[in-house]
Amino acid sequence: LAKTTQPISMDSYEGQEVNITCSHNNIATNDYITWYQQFPSQGPRFIIQGYKTKVTNEVASLFIPADRKSSTLSLPRVSLSDTAVYYCLVGDIMDSSYKLIFGSGTRLLVRP
Amino acid sequence: NAGVTQTPKFQVLKTGQSMTLQCAQDMNHNSMYWYRQDPGMGLRLIYYSASEGTTDKGEVPNGYNVSRLNKREFSLRLESAAPSQTSVYFCASSPGLDQETQYFGPGTRLLVL
Repeated sequence: LAKTTQPISMDSYEGQEVNITCSHNNIATNDYITWYQQFPSQGPRFIIQGYKTKVTNEVASLFIPADRKSSTLSLPRVSLSDTAVYYCLVGDIMDSSYKLIFGSGTRLLVRP
Repeated sequence: NAGVTQTPKFQVLKTGQSMTLQCAQDMNHNSMYWYRQDPGMGLRLIYYSASEGTTDKGEVPNGYNVSRLNKREFSLRLESAAPSQTSVYFCASSPGLDQETQYFGPGTRLLVL
């Protein structure tokens, strides 16, 4: 399974755009990139998933360069409620043996 | 539609005691999972059930047993609790095993003294 590397923590201010980059140098051809968000005392929540280029939904955007060795989760105009831990996961979602492998994630703190 | 529910929310055990953590989902999902999360760490998979009637080991199964009682319910049992099992336990479910979005419950905080 591809290993991911993320910054341990990031600080931001309300209204700013936040970009969290994840490195996955050993990503395989069939692997997808998925991001989860976890608030304190809650279970993780799916944010976004992509394979290449750019994916956007109502919560975030995911940018994946052509070599797919990294990806960037972009949160537009963050608010205090975006303070959470963000996990980047990589794997072949069509492989029945694929399991979610969570690293330590990136702790995002949004300040007033 | 409650999603994934877990009971109890919090439990204190003495070393050697046993207990069962309960999980239920009302989304008609086929697959269910149990994770543990230690302080400051990511989640680790304990056991999973691809479908009713099947269970398989995850990354850290030692010291645990599971039962997929029916399609809705998936329980996790600690036969003889140890302090190393102090953690937050999350149950999750997904439509299928092939990596569709997993939906997580609120967690059970377990303290083993």
